[in-house]
Amino acid sequence: GESVGLHLPTLSVQEGDNSIINCAYSNSASDYFIWYKQESGKGPQFIIDIRSNMDKRQGQRVTVLLNKTVKHLSLQIAATQPGDSAVYFCAENKQGYSTLTFGKGTMLLVSP
Amino acid sequence: SQTIHQWPATLVQPVGSPLSLECTVEGTSNPNLYWYRQAAGRGLQLLFYSVGIGQISSEVPQNLSASRPQDRQFILSSKKLLLSDSGFYLCAWSVRQALYSNQPQHFGDGTRLSIL
Repeated sequence: GESVGLHLPTLSVQEGDNSIINCAYSNSASDYFIWYKQESGKGPQFIIDIRSNMDKRQGQRVTVLLNKTVKHLSLQIAATQPGDSAVYFCAENKQGYSTLTFGKGTMLLVSP
Repeated sequence: SQTIHQWPATLVQPVGSPLSLECTVEGTSNPNLYWYRQAAGRGLQLLFYSVGIGQISSEVPQNLSASRPQDRQFILSSKKLLLSDSGFYLCAWSVRQALYSNQPQHFGDGTRLSIL
C-alpha cells in the first residue's frame, strides 16, 4: 500500500554542522506533513509541520522543505547539537482522514 | 497547557495474562485519542483511535482492545497476552477538529511492555 519512507536509516554529523534528513512519500493525496523527534525511551515530540500549500516552513533552527513534484520532504537542522541526537520520523496525513502514516525513522547521531 | 500521561512506564507480564494500560489527557476537552505500537527500531503502527466517549475505531485486527470510559481517558486492554504483544505502546491526542483538518498529534512517553 501507499506509505511514507526514509532514505537514510542513520545520519552521523559533527556538532555545528547542518543536518538534512529526507523522507519520500508515495500518496499524492497527502496534504499535511509532520516531523517528530524521538529520544530513547520517550514518545515522539512534535518538531514542525507543513501543509501542501507551502514549499517551506521555518522554525527555531529547523526548516522543512516540501517538494510535491517528486513527493519529497526534508528536515534541515542548523548548527546541530549533541542534544539533537535522536530518531526523526516524518508523518503524512490526507485531508478528511483521521490518521497519520509514519515513516520508519532516521537516527541522527551528533558527535561533539 | 495540555499534558498527556501514560502508566506504567514499564511492564513485564507473562504470556496469557491480562493487560490494562491507561492514558489520560489534561488541559483540553473532547480530544481525539490514539493508541500506537512501536516495535524496536521501527515506525509507529496505529492500533486504535477514538473521537469521543465510547467511540473506538480499530485499525488492525489483533489481540488487543481499547475503551474510552471518560472524555480524557483511553485504556488499552487484553484478556490474554501473546509474545507478539511485546513492544512500546504510545498514546497520543489531537484537538477534536483535527480529525478532518490537519493538526499534529501529541504523544505521551509510552509504556514498554515485555511479555515473558
